[in-house]
Amino acid sequence: EDQVTQSPEALRLQEGESSSLNCSYTVSGLRGLFWYRQDPGKGPEFLFTLYSAGEEKEKERLKATLTKKESFLHITAPKPEDSATYLCAVQFKAAGNKLTFGGGTRVLVKP
Amino acid sequence: DGGITQSPKYLFRKEGQNVTLSCEQNLNHDAMYWYRQDPGQGLRLIYYSQIVNDFQKGDIAEGYSVSREKKESFPLTVTSAQKNPTAFYLCASSMRAGGLDTQYFGPGTRLTVL
Repeated sequence: EDQVTQSPEALRLQEGESSSLNCSYTVSGLRGLFWYRQDPGKGPEFLFTLYSAGEEKEKERLKATLTKKESFLHITAPKPEDSATYLCAVQFKAAGNKLTFGGGTRVLVKP
Repeated sequence: DGGITQSPKYLFRKEGQNVTLSCEQNLNHDAMYWYRQDPGQGLRLIYYSQIVNDFQKGDIAEGYSVSREKKESFPLTVTSAQKNPTAFYLCASSMRAGGLDTQYFGPGTRLTVL
């Protein structure tokens, strides 16, 4: 069964303290991997799509990378407004355009 | 202003009642989706539709029903057969059906069973 696992479940950072979130998946033909940000009580907001191993994408303090088995979301010098839950979702070739989501990582950045 | 709207934002249901959640998009997207989110869990797919008048069951379709009579609308009915309906419901859409395509989400509806 295709699975997506995110770690850690929760992360507490001081403002300016860089860190990384992990998203690992069992491979059965990866079509693409998506990162979303979700604020409490709101819908997920799209951040990045990664298609192939070695690919990297950046947006402000966020940088997403992809290997054959996992993806990392690096948060550089975070600010309190980066506090949110970050969701990873994978589209497997055998599943059409369905997404399989990980459980998310809750990030809290303290000033 | 393009986007996905969901209504209501909060919904309360008595046991034994059916309720319908609205989802509308003006992005001219072909595909639409319904997900359920429970605390500490990832999003789980309930139903999806790739074209008008056609839809497929997702991973947790039991106790739910949908219709797709118009391209821009994909309402979800939570029936009394759904044993644990209290959750946050999210609607999404994507431009194309099939292939790698980004899904964009609405603001969500929080359903509480009293």
